[in-house]
Amino acid sequence: DTEVTQTPKHLVMGMTNKKSLKCEQHMGHRAMYWYKQKAKKPPELMFVYSYEKLSINESVPSRFSPECPNSSLLNLHLHALQPEDSALYLCASSLGQTSNYGYTFGSGTRLTVV
Amino acid sequence: RKEVEQDPGPFNVPEGATVAFNCTYSNSASQSFFWYRQDCRKEPKLLMSVYSSGNEDGRFTAQLNRASQYISLLIRDSKLSDSATYLCVVKSGYNKLIFGAGTRLAVHP
Repeated sequence: DTEVTQTPKHLVMGMTNKKSLKCEQHMGHRAMYWYKQKAKKPPELMFVYSYEKLSINESVPSRFSPECPNSSLLNLHLHALQPEDSALYLCASSLGQTSNYGYTFGSGTRLTVV
Repeated sequence: RKEVEQDPGPFNVPEGATVAFNCTYSNSASQSFFWYRQDCRKEPKLLMSVYSSGNEDGRFTAQLNRASQYISLLIRDSKLSDSATYLCVVKSGYNKLIFGAGTRLAVHP
């Protein structure tokens, strides 16, 4: 299994809703990442988990709350989002945070905040 | 100054052409280097890693010049299916993947 699976693929939520994005990999990777990508822009790093512990938080607003329940799963909890948070949210994994291999990306969740 | 800079393009080339993309990075402590490809509304996919000795994968050749902090990608015999955005990616000293803005390639018949 060489995939990173993200659900849901599309999500529309209101500004008062609470929702969660899910990411799963079974490649034995010990580092997992959340990226945000706006249209015609490159992906921007949000969070890094290494061995299930939060390693990097790129000063992301608290309305985004990551969680890593185990080495295969990564969640992103969303609450009180703004329309400008609409974007493609990409999960990625790698063998380890310090490995020199590239990351494997999931196909993303396209989020629209209304 | 951006950490990773690329010419945004677009590069419009005919099938069979050779096209080269360039990229520069600002952090001399950067550890690893990659080219990713991203199709419209899809996730980035790893095209190849880049090494100082240069490396080739079929029609694709990547080069790294650490002294100049410069990375290149050469595509020979372009195919219609090569049309995509090519992202130059650098692993920073903080073990983070930093993406360039991407170079758009359009190959036409």
